[in-house]
Amino acid sequence: KQEVTQIPAALSVPEGENLVLNCSFTDSAIYNLQWFRQDPGKGLTSLLLIQSSQREQTSGRLNASLDKSSGRSTLYIAASQPGDSATYLCAVRNFGNEKLTFGTGTRLTIIP
Amino acid sequence: EAGVVQSPRYKIIEKKQPVAFWCNPISGHNTLYWYLQNLGQGPELLIRYENEEAVDDSQLPKDRFSAERLKGVDSTLKIQPAELGDSAVYLCASSLDGLHTQYFGPGTRLTVL
Repeated sequence: KQEVTQIPAALSVPEGENLVLNCSFTDSAIYNLQWFRQDPGKGLTSLLLIQSSQREQTSGRLNASLDKSSGRSTLYIAASQPGDSATYLCAVRNFGNEKLTFGTGTRLTIIP
Repeated sequence: EAGVVQSPRYKIIEKKQPVAFWCNPISGHNTLYWYLQNLGQGPELLIRYENEEAVDDSQLPKDRFSAERLKGVDSTLKIQPAELGDSAVYLCASSLDGLHTQYFGPGTRLTVL
């Protein structure tokens, strides 16, 4: 059974700093991995999707990396802004299964 | 283009009462998902539809939960009777098919008293 873990559960950093969010998973036979953002009282917004054959994906100030052999992914946010404050969730999809398994999320607060 | 629409946004009921949630997916999306999200947790899949067929309902507590997706478009998730432990956010998502990006609605926050 796939298990996804995100540490830390919460993180506060001053505005302008670069930061890294971590995601680990137990079953490396993944089809892809996604990073989502969730604002309070809102649904999830997909940020980046990395296929199992890829090592990283970039979108603007966001860069997600994937290391299947170690069961890890990181989300790098450059030059953080107060608008980046949200909960960030990673989710993995295994081969032969359309189900997404989510981590518990990291609640990020950017301090102005 | 409109995103995934859910209603109501909030619902407060007493235990043992029935409750229903409605979801309208993005036009043209064949796959529809219902997720349960407890406070401080990630979403957990309850049921997945491919068109009007429920292809994965293994996590749906069938003694009190039911769902339908008539005509392969809108979907309704029902709980009868509700229990205190059902208090959570119920999220609906849709995608073109089971392998494409899922787009989520804002969710329905259920409080059972």
